[in-house]
Amino acid sequence: QKEVEQDPGPLSVPEGAIVSLNCTYSNSAFQYFMWYRQYSRKGPELLMYTYSSGNKEDGRFTAQVDKSSKYISLFIRDSQPSDSATYLCAMSERNSGGSNYKLTFGKGTLLTVNP
Amino acid sequence: ETGVTQTPRHLVMGMTNKKSLKCEQHLGHNAMYWYKQSAKKPLELMFVYNFKEQTENNSVPSRFSPECPNSSHLFLHLHTLQPEDSALYLCASSQDGQAGGSTNEQFFGPGTRLTVL
Repeated sequence: QKEVEQDPGPLSVPEGAIVSLNCTYSNSAFQYFMWYRQYSRKGPELLMYTYSSGNKEDGRFTAQVDKSSKYISLFIRDSQPSDSATYLCAMSERNSGGSNYKLTFGKGTLLTVNP
Repeated sequence: ETGVTQTPRHLVMGMTNKKSLKCEQHLGHNAMYWYKQSAKKPLELMFVYNFKEQTENNSVPSRFSPECPNSSHLFLHLHTLQPEDSALYLCASSQDGQAGGSTNEQFFGPGTRLTVL
């Protein structure tokens, strides 16, 4: 079983739709849960991060973590064509030496929002 | 220049060539990373440098050789690559939390698109 599972899509929705993106994980040592957005020909940029189970909202974006089920979600309300990108979930744990956090990424979900 | 920059943005090389990828971060961070991004695969961590010391090498073949001369610059030296090494190579940096409390937010560069013929 892979450490982080993410459906790669692609996902195509009309403008204004609510989008739900999900990841599951198996490693209980993960401490922080992140969503990165990657536009075509660009590097990933951090969109949101959460630490504990529950919801975190930022504008049209809501990140949800359920540690008991090892499941995280990203919801996008009123989706816009400018939201079209690949969304990567990532989870972090301290590395074995304790000097860094190590990120483990999902494959990414390609989202297209059609005007 | 701001953030994390990478050069070149595109590189085509033969299997016998030697080339280098360069990354520079302008964020004052103390940790730098090389990742490989291939189609339909998760980002793969290759190397981690913390305060210029390599702290992680994820079983990367020796045809990839990293170099970190200071905390702002990171290189990836390439030689005798294989076609399956064609991918987007991403550099990232972060400010490692000394006493915990850091989320280890990593800031990525735009990547170098490498094609090995």
